Amino acid sequence: SAVISQKPSRDICQRGTSLTIQCQVDSQVTMMFWYRQQPGQSLTLIATANQGSEATYESGFVIDKFPISRPNLTFSTLTVSNMSPEDSSIYLCSVGAPPMNTEAFFGQGTRLTVV
Amino acid sequence: LAKTTQPISMDSYEGQEVNITCSHNNIATNDYITWYQQFPSQGPRFIIQGYKTKVTNEVASLFIPADRKSSTLSLPRVSLSDTAVYYCLAGGSGTYKYIFGTGTRLKVLA
Repeated sequence: SAVISQKPSRDICQRGTSLTIQCQVDSQVTMMFWYRQQPGQSLTLIATANQGSEATYESGFVIDKFPISRPNLTFSTLTVSNMSPEDSSIYLCSVGAPPMNTEAFFGQGTRLTVV
Repeated sequence: LAKTTQPISMDSYEGQEVNITCSHNNIATNDYITWYQQFPSQGPRFIIQGYKTKVTNEVASLFIPADRKSSTLSLPRVSLSDTAVYYCLAGGSGTYKYIFGTGTRLKVLA
């Protein structure tokens, strides 16, 4: 299995500012994913972040708003830029850890409130 | 990635067996069915995964009929601590990328 640590666990931010969320994994993983979960809703995939290549964004999400870095096989960051109250959500990091595991593992999430 | 459909919510009583059915009519040949559990303020936690027939582990069983267009998660003798949202996901093993549906909000009553 893979143990994922996200920082910060929660934050309250002013609109118009940016927040960078960190995702640290205790082992090298090829695939990392970022999800958003709005209050009371299901998870929505934002992007796939594979090391050595640019992140691939899902429909409705763009790099200017959610820039992602993946500098190595154990770490990634997601930045939420120029925040508005609509960005208030939980942001989750997920990883795949082949070959021993066929399921994805999720971090505890970062609860972001924009005021 | 196949879209999945589940009941929005279910209630059960402690000690009962709970069966949550998921529909995935457009499942692809190489898609696996994976179930996750999510408690408030936590990330989803893996429960069980299968491709066909029946899979059982220490916490649940997963039943998948031959046509694979649906699956049923079975939780034996639930307790209050099983109150959570349960997500059924269909995706290729090894992709680790999921499209989440609505999930089923299970409430276990005393």
